[in-house]
Amino acid sequence: EIVLTQSPGTLSLSPGERATLSCRASQSVSSSYLAWYQQKPGQAPRLLFYGASSRATGIPDRFSGSGSGTDFTLTISRLEPEDFAVYYCQQYGSSFTFGPGTKVDIK
Amino acid sequence: EVQLVESGGGFVQPGGSLRLSCAASGFTFSSYEMNWVRQAPGKGLEWVSYISGGGTTIYYADSVKGRFTISRDNAKNSLYLQMNSLRAEDTAVYYCARVYSVWGSRGFDYWGQGTLVTVSS
Repeated sequence: EIVLTQSPGTLSLSPGERATLSCRASQSVSSSYLAWYQQKPGQAPRLLFYGASSRATGIPDRFSGSGSGTDFTLTISRLEPEDFAVYYCQQYGSSFTFGPGTKVDIK
Repeated sequence: EVQLVESGGGFVQPGGSLRLSCAASGFTFSSYEMNWVRQAPGKGLEWVSYISGGGTTIYYADSVKGRFTISRDNAKNSLYLQMNSLRAEDTAVYYCARVYSVWGSRGFDYWGQGTLVTVSS
């Protein structure tokens, strides 16, 4: 079973700063099978990226996804107030494992 | 407008059973793979189960295998999760989620609002 590790656990930044979130897999994952989600308190998750770098409908272009193999990255170029949330990566093969999440909070 | 509405959550004692439902609307339900995902209070997301559009392919997380059963009724545009032998660690908000699939890439593009299951004596 593929295990996903996300780092850092918490990222404290100010609006306007750049956020770089990491997702590492215990074994190689096809780029087609890696997704990213955003979740705010009391809300269901929202799909940000599928296929590692394909932006979902309505996702602003300040968000970007990249990576391959075992290392994937979610980047937010300039944090807006509404971007402070928890971010999860997910891989899908024979199961659909989520990483533990990275919380982006206001510094 | 795509909508997923879960129901059936509640309070149950350890060893008990519950059946969750997810009513889908705004899309051709039978054409989409579906999943159940749960989130324990204050914790991260945990994938629970997957079912293909026709219901012929099913997967479960190891944590629920043998206790939970996913099913769907495409005529009723509904997804179900039968949960038996419930444990305290099954306490969570349960979400149904639709799979978006394009050229082999996948993501869960629509989610319900969730239904809370509490297992306690």
